[in-house]
Amino acid sequence: EDQVTQSPEALRLQEGESSSLNCSYTVSGLRGLFWYRQDPGKGPEFLFTLYSAGEEKEKERLKATLTKKESFLHITAPKPEDSATYLCAVQAWLNQAGTALIFGKGTTLSVSS
Amino acid sequence: GAVVSQHPSRVICKSGTSVKIECRSLDFQATTMFWYRQFPKQSLMLMATSNEGSKATYEQGVEKDKFLINHASLTLSTLTVTSAHPEDSSFYICSVTVGLGPDTQYFGPGTRLTVL
Repeated sequence: EDQVTQSPEALRLQEGESSSLNCSYTVSGLRGLFWYRQDPGKGPEFLFTLYSAGEEKEKERLKATLTKKESFLHITAPKPEDSATYLCAVQAWLNQAGTALIFGKGTTLSVSS
Repeated sequence: GAVVSQHPSRVICKSGTSVKIECRSLDFQATTMFWYRQFPKQSLMLMATSNEGSKATYEQGVEKDKFLINHASLTLSTLTVTSAHPEDSSFYICSVTVGLGPDTQYFGPGTRLTVL
């Protein structure tokens, strides 16, 4: 069964204190791994798509990496505005296109000044 | 990325009534839209895949007669929760896919449904 597990469930950081969020996955053929940011009461906002092990992508203070079993979202020198829930999702290869995403429960990040 | 809107953003209804939620793709034509449900502190769970011009595909455990989906045009999909009950109270979010291959999905802002 395809599964996504994110850790930690919650993370509190001081402004400027770098850290990493983990996403472990089990999927029968990875088509893509996605990171989203979700603010309270809002829909997820797309951050990154990773396709294969060894791939890395960066955007401002965020960097996502991918291995065959997990992905990390590294946050460098976070600011209070980075506070949000970060969601990881995977898409598996199936027999049809346009397949849905399987989401983890997310990591809720709080950054204090 | 794609811009997706949902209407209404919040709705409160009485038990037994029906509620319609709209999902619009504002800047491109979406042949496929997805409907998700999210309970507090839980992950997004796929309810159904909405295909333009054909019947929606529902996930196991989702009642197709209770959650009616209509994808009548390339820019609009609707989800109707029929005979809503308090346990249907949740955050409903739609998404659209762009292009082929690993499908990056862009999400709407969500609709908070509260059934009294």
